[in-house]
Amino acid sequence: DTEVTQTPKHLVMGMTNKKSLKCEQHMGHRAMYWYKQKAKKPPELMFVYSYEKLSINESVPSRFSPECPNSSLLNLHLHALQPEDSALYLCASRDRGGEKLFFGSGTQLSVL
Amino acid sequence: DQQVKQNSPSLSVQEGRISILNCDYTNSMFDYFLWYKKYPAEGPTFLISISSIKDKNEDGRFTVFLNKSAKHLSLHIVPSQPGDSAVYFCAAPNGDSGYALNFGKGTSLLVTP
Repeated sequence: DTEVTQTPKHLVMGMTNKKSLKCEQHMGHRAMYWYKQKAKKPPELMFVYSYEKLSINESVPSRFSPECPNSSLLNLHLHALQPEDSALYLCASRDRGGEKLFFGSGTQLSVL
Repeated sequence: DQQVKQNSPSLSVQEGRISILNCDYTNSMFDYFLWYKKYPAEGPTFLISISSIKDKNEDGRFTVFLNKSAKHLSLHIVPSQPGDSAVYFCAAPNGDSGYALNFGKGTSLLVTP
């Protein structure tokens, strides 16, 4: 199994809603990442988890709250988002000692 | 500060010809480089990589060349096919960021029949 699975594939939410994005991998990778990608831009790093601990937060606003409940799961909790947060949210994982990141297919988020 | 640069936003090539996508980097600590292919609203898919101890890596129709002294790499696709039409990102792992990938801005390749 070389897949990173992200759900939901699409999400529309209002600015007062609370929602969560989910990411799952069963490759035994211990590093997991959240990226955000706007149209015609490269993916932009948000968070890095290493061995289920948050190791990097790229100054992301607190309305984005990551969580890593176990080594296979990564969540991104969303609350009080702004329309400019509309983007494709990508999850990725990496094997220890490897350089390649495996990406999920992303969640296309629209904030109204 | 963009440490990985792709200065050509787009490239159009005829089917069967060679596509050459270029990438420059500024961080001399980078020792591994990857190319990803991406379709709209999908995640990036790994294509090919190269370690800094090599100057060439080949995988089927795809070859990546690395010129360390010039801090430049290129991806060659021969022969190009319409299915190769996508955005191609050059990337390098950053050890200071948990080996997260620093991406270039991407080059949109269009292969016309």
